[in-house]
Amino acid sequence: DTAVSQTPKYLVTQMGNDKSIKCEQNLGHDTMYWYKQDSKKFLKIMFSYNNKELIINETVPNRFSPKSPDKAHLNLHINSLELGDSAVYFCASSHRLAGGRLAKNIQYFGAGTRLSVL
Amino acid sequence: DAKTTQPTSMDCAEGRAANLPCNHSTISGNEYVYWYRQIHSQGPQYIIHGLKNNETNEMASLIITEDRKSSTLILPHATLRDTAVYYCIAMYSGGGADGLTFGKGTHLIIQP
Repeated sequence: DTAVSQTPKYLVTQMGNDKSIKCEQNLGHDTMYWYKQDSKKFLKIMFSYNNKELIINETVPNRFSPKSPDKAHLNLHINSLELGDSAVYFCASSHRLAGGRLAKNIQYFGAGTRLSVL
Repeated sequence: DAKTTQPTSMDCAEGRAANLPCNHSTISGNEYVYWYRQIHSQGPQYIIHGLKNNETNEMASLIITEDRKSSTLILPHATLRDTAVYYCIAMYSGGGADGLTFGKGTHLIIQP
């Protein structure tokens, strides 16, 4: 079973359309993320979300919105797609542990969704 | 998160140890050093992390200098499948929902 799965793997669409990318994790994690990797291969955090808070990177346009129906899913909705939205989008998840020397904030990534806006 | 500096690219012969350096001279006392890698066309993969002691797992070893201003990731017996971009990230690991801040990383090329 894939730990963090994203669908679709490839998405080709026209400018102005609205699209969604789905993400599911079966790791029992409580925090999920969306990252964007542009054509120059820079990876940037877009959102991080758990059941208590949504942290938004201030550079993300409000055309992008995360939606979480439950702890195992964090979908990314994009309205009015623009050419500059073409990129690879990665979903990730992590589990926050309290105290001790245990691993914290280790993130597990999906395989990515390659979005092309024409 | 403290800024990190890594070489842009490195080569290593297959079967040899690959040593990837990272400078993080402004790291604060509660920031950990994390290493991730991204193999071409895949999502980033966690490798190892540490605070001040050296760490080892099945993938790699992490050596952190005593002053914590730099660290080295060691892949003991590099294989062709280790060719990837390696990212060193210094960040607080306090359990918050913090996104990772990726820099440009080091493109490690394992030569046959």
